[in-house]
Amino acid sequence: DVKVTQSSRYLVKRTGEKVFLECVQDMDHENMFWYRQDPGLGLRLIYFSYDVKMKEKGDIPEGYSVSREKKERFSLILESASTNQTSMYLCASSGSDSMGYEQYFGPGTRLTVT
Amino acid sequence: DAKTTQPPSMDCAEGRAANLPCNHSTISGNEYVYWYRQIHSQGPQYIIHGLKNNETNEMASLIITEDRKSSTLILPHATLRDTAVYYCIVRVANFGNEKLTFGTGTRLTIIP
Repeated sequence: DVKVTQSSRYLVKRTGEKVFLECVQDMDHENMFWYRQDPGLGLRLIYFSYDVKMKEKGDIPEGYSVSREKKERFSLILESASTNQTSMYLCASSGSDSMGYEQYFGPGTRLTVT
Repeated sequence: DAKTTQPPSMDCAEGRAANLPCNHSTISGNEYVYWYRQIHSQGPQYIIHGLKNNETNEMASLIITEDRKSSTLILPHATLRDTAVYYCIVRVANFGNEKLTFGTGTRLTIIP
């Protein structure tokens, strides 16, 4: 079974802190994604990556950056956390041979910024 | 990507078939229909996808109308673990378009 793991299920940070969210997948997938999910807004794509050291902006990249130094790991960085970044963060991965049909999601990290 | 419309909520008795409808009247010829679900406090889970033929896998069946303007996801023998929000998504499947856009979905409740 594909497994996508995220470093924390729950995280509480203060405004202005630098926050790292880590995601690891064990299926040798080329594509990895970071989404955030908010009530009434659905899932919104922040960043994605097709390969190591590659990254592409999604719909809402402002205030975020990403890092993909290894194929299995995709990190989301909040350079200076703000209260409007309180959200559920979801990581996903997919293989390039699947044409993106199936994205496998991690359990999510619920981040609260106070 | 085409817009989809789903009922906000549905109930289904345990052991019965759950039929979840989705309208996608503006779908274009190269867009696929995907279904995902999200059980409370978990990440979304892929269920099934199709282009124009009906599809079946170990989780569900997908029925797409001939004009492709609507589809139905069928869970043949619903269990309590199928209680979740179900999302119907329509998108082109090609490299460079892997983004998934989830709407508000249908909240399915399985009744014991």
